[in-house]
Formats: sequence, structure tokens, C-alpha cells
Amino acid sequence: GAVVSQHPSRVICKSGTSVKIECRSLDFQATTMFWYRQFPKQSLMLMATSNEGSKATYEQGVEKDKFLINHASLTLSTLTVTSAHPEDSSFYICSAIDRTSSYEQYFGPGTRLTVT
Amino acid sequence: GEDVEQSLFLSVREGDSSVINCTYTDSSSTYLYWYKQEPGAGLQLLTYIFSNMDMKQDQRLTVLLNKKDKHLSLRIADTQTGDSAIYFCAESSLETSGSRLTFGEGTQLTVNP
Repeated sequence: GAVVSQHPSRVICKSGTSVKIECRSLDFQATTMFWYRQFPKQSLMLMATSNEGSKATYEQGVEKDKFLINHASLTLSTLTVTSAHPEDSSFYICSAIDRTSSYEQYFGPGTRLTVT
Repeated sequence: GEDVEQSLFLSVREGDSSVINCTYTDSSSTYLYWYKQEPGAGLQLLTYIFSNMDMKQDQRLTVLLNKKDKHLSLRIADTQTGDSAIYFCAESSLETSGSRLTFGEGTQLTVNP
């Protein structure tokens, strides 16, 4: 099946710094990518929808200035957590839609962010 | 808005069948999915079913859809310890939400040897 990668898999940063997470579709082109946040033992919470070449659409309650999303190509979307705080510590997962098959959504392995 | 519900826990013995249930509220759901998540990992798409289908079988997995009752189930035959994970039910509606997925809370499947 289709493969989505995320980098880094784990990151620890100090409070006040910014962290960039990359999401790549490795063997397909993705017109749409999604960013999720998952708290321990909970379901996935959609943060934003990222369409290639246009601005991301953020879910209600998600600060667009804090979680910057860039989808510059059909295979790469990035999420930057700006001025990170301990409450931003979480598991961030991206997913991508294969442009040839709009109903199949493939997920990355996730990025564990810890803010100290 | 859309809502998807699952029971939180299921425990079975190795070799038995597991049945994970899911209910949803969106009558315009187009696709329904089952994802598997192992600890510290992302989600693995196991299978999906189009809303005009009643059943789909793929090796040890059988998906049943009762559209009238908005009930979806995933049956895993001959459950193995490697099947222990969290299973998420999800739905999408091309009509109302496009490709966005609405997830259930996840069912923790524990397989005992």
C-alpha cells in the first residue's frame, strides 16, 4: 500500500522554541494532507486540512498562528509548532489522500513531541 | 454533527474470533473504515467498505454494514496476539465533509494467550 513518512519520529524541545514536523507521501501524489493530534488513550483530533498550493483550513479552536502548515508540493506538508509550550506535548499524526483514489487515506507513523 | 461510537475494550483468547462494533449517526456516510493502531505508531488502514455494500471479506477480516441501523462491525477470525492493538472505526461523507474522517474513540483489543 501507499507509504507516508514523518520526520522526526520523536523530538524534545525547550519551551519557547519552534519545531517543524515533515509529512511526506513516498510513492504517490497527495493533493490533500491532514494533520491530527492525539492525546494518550484518546482518539485523533483533526487540526487542519492542507491542500497543495493553498492555505490550510483549520478546525475550530486550533490556532493558525501557532500551528503553521505549509503544503508546498504534492508530496510534502510541514507543521511548525511555534513558541512551543509543555501543553503542546502530544503525538502528531499526518495523513494523505492519494490523488488517484480520493477515499483512501494513509497515515504517517506519527511524531512524539515533548516540550520541556 | 457526525458522531461515531465504539466500545472501549474487548478481550479475547487467542484463536477465538473478535468482533468490534461501531455505530455512527451520519446517514450520508459514503465510506466506512477500520484502522489499526499499535502502541506509539500511526494508523494502519485495515479495510473499508462503501456504503452501498453489506459485507466485505479480506482474509481473516470480515466487515458487516447495517446501513439501516448505522452499525458497522469488524470480525477478526482466529485472533492472534499480534492483533492486540487499538482499532478505530471512521466514516467519511463525500456529500457533507469530503475526505475528512470522523473517528470513533477506538477499541482496545487484548488477545490473551
